[in-house]
Amino acid sequence: GAVVSQHPSRVICKSGTSVKIECRSLDFQATTMFWYRQFPKKSLMLMATSNEGSKATYEQGVEKDKFLINHASLTLSTLTVTSAHPEDSSFYICSARDRLTSGATDTQYFGPGTRLTVL
Amino acid sequence: RKEVEQDPGPFNVPEGATVAFNCTYSNSASQSFFWYRQDCRKEPKLLMSVYSSGNEDGRFTAQLNRASQYISLLIRDSKLSDSATYLCVVNHPNAGKSTFGDGTTLTVKP
Repeated sequence: GAVVSQHPSRVICKSGTSVKIECRSLDFQATTMFWYRQFPKKSLMLMATSNEGSKATYEQGVEKDKFLINHASLTLSTLTVTSAHPEDSSFYICSARDRLTSGATDTQYFGPGTRLTVL
Repeated sequence: RKEVEQDPGPFNVPEGATVAFNCTYSNSASQSFFWYRQDCRKEPKLLMSVYSSGNEDGRFTAQLNRASQYISLLIRDSKLSDSATYLCVVNHPNAGKSTFGDGTTLTVKP
């Protein structure tokens, strides 16, 4: 099946630093990628929809200046958590939708996630 | 009211048991539906799509009732390896995004 990678898988940083997370579709082109965060024992919460070549669409309550998303190519989207604080500690997961199979029944392929811990 | 609601469980069942999970959704315009499985500290993985006619994949059966806006997942002959959280996912093609339920946790015990 389709493969999506994320890097890094785990990051620990000091409060106030910025962290960049990469999401790559390895064997397909993804015009749309999604960024989620998941707190312990909670479900995935969509943060934003990333469209190749255009600005991301953020969900209500998600600060676009804090969570910068760039989708520069059909295989790469990045999420930068700027000036991270302990409350940003979470599991961040990206997913990608295959451009060739997108439609009413399309599925998302998830990256393995990035566990961010802000001290 | 949440857009997608699931019984959080946990469901604790013995090996070999049959267990059913339910999911309701509020947006009648929703067009596609899925069940995902998520293991602890891992990403979600697609278990199966859900079709109006119902569909089966081995021990797993998924059904959709559009009139009641209800989705179900039935697992027969539970295995220890079925222990996981099962996420109900509803797609809104017009909005281009998916909404996840909070998940139902299943533990299968020997």
